[in-house]
Parts: sequence; structure tokens; C-alpha cells
Amino acid sequence: EDQVTQSPEALRLQEGESSSLNCSYTVSGLRGLFWYRQDPGKGPEFLFTLYSAGEEKEKERLKATLTKKESFLHITAPKPEDSATYLCAVQGFQGGSEKLVFGKGTKLTVNP
Amino acid sequence: KAGVTQTPRYLIKTRGQQVTLSCSPISGHRSVSWYQQTPGQGLQFLFEYFSETQRNKGNFPGRFSGRQFSNSRSEMNVSTLELGDSALYLCASSFNPGPEQYFGPGTRLTVT
Repeated sequence: EDQVTQSPEALRLQEGESSSLNCSYTVSGLRGLFWYRQDPGKGPEFLFTLYSAGEEKEKERLKATLTKKESFLHITAPKPEDSATYLCAVQGFQGGSEKLVFGKGTKLTVNP
Repeated sequence: KAGVTQTPRYLIKTRGQQVTLSCSPISGHRSVSWYQQTPGQGLQFLFEYFSETQRNKGNFPGRFSGRQFSNSRSEMNVSTLELGDSALYLCASSFNPGPEQYFGPGTRLTVT
């Protein structure tokens, strides 16, 4: 069964203090790994798709990387507006199903 | 461009009742997925519809059902509500089935 584990559960940073969020996964036949951002009271917002080990994607202060077992979301010089819950999901290919399996997220708080 | 809309935003029901939630996808999007989000289990896939056909289904009991109409609007129904059904129900749409989905704000269901 596909599984996604995110760590840490919560992370507090000072503005400008760079760090990384981890997403470990087990999946049979990875079709893709995805990062979302979720603000309180809102649905998740799509950030990145990674398809193969070694791939990297960047968007503003965020950079996502992928290995065969895990993905990292690097946050460089974060600002308070980066505070949100970051969700990781994998899409495998089990018996013809292409459903997404999500981790429980990392709640990031960036203090000014 | 209008986003995904979900109605109602908040709902309180009693155990044993049934409930219907509605989702209007982004104009032109033909795929709609439903998710249940709880603090304990995180985001869990319920089902996905494309062109009025259910493509995928998650591991939820038969009390959870859904459908999609010819205009791509979708509804999900939960019968014989249980306390554990209290959750945020999220709908997401995409032009074609895939993980680059746009989420709605969700319907917060409370079962008492």
C-alpha cells in the first residue's frame, strides 16, 4: 500500500531562516510526487510536480527535490506569508488506480 | 476565472441523517475529485469522476457515494451519518484526470 510520511509535523522559523521539509514515500510504480500548500480555511493549492529522481523545481523561495525514497521542500529566506501547511502526495499505479495518497502535512510558521 | 465552488460551506447534521454536498468545477474542467480531510487521517481520497463516470474510488464504505452531471458539476452523498464523518470535504477539479488539481474551499461537516 502506498504511504507518505512528512516530517516534521510542525516547524517554526524566524524570517530569513532557511530550512527543509521532508516527505518520505513508499509506492509501487511512482507516477509522480506533488507538493501543495494549504492555508487555514482554504483548500490545498498546487505547487509542484516531480516525476523522476534527480528532478528539481523552483518557485520563488521554494525548491522541491526528489530522490527514489524521499522529497525535500527547501525554503530559502522565508517570509511570514510563507506560513501554511505544506502537503506532499504521491501518485502510484496500483491495479489501474491513479489515486493520490497524501501525507499529513508540515505546518510551517514563519515569525517576523 | 472563477475557482471551484462548494456548497454549503458549513453543515451540521445529526447521526443517522444523510447529507448531500455540491461542487461546481472551474469552467471547462471535466474531472472532479473528492477528498475527506481530518486532523487524524489527513487528506484521504474518496472518488474521482470524469465525463460523468467514476474512474477511481478510495477505501471508504458504501455510505459514501457520488455522481457527476453532464455539466461537470458533482455531488457527493453520505448516508447514515456517523460521528466519525465529521470532517472537511474538499472537491478538486482539473481539465483532465491528474494531480494538478484546483481545490475548492471545502464543506465543513459536523455530525452530532
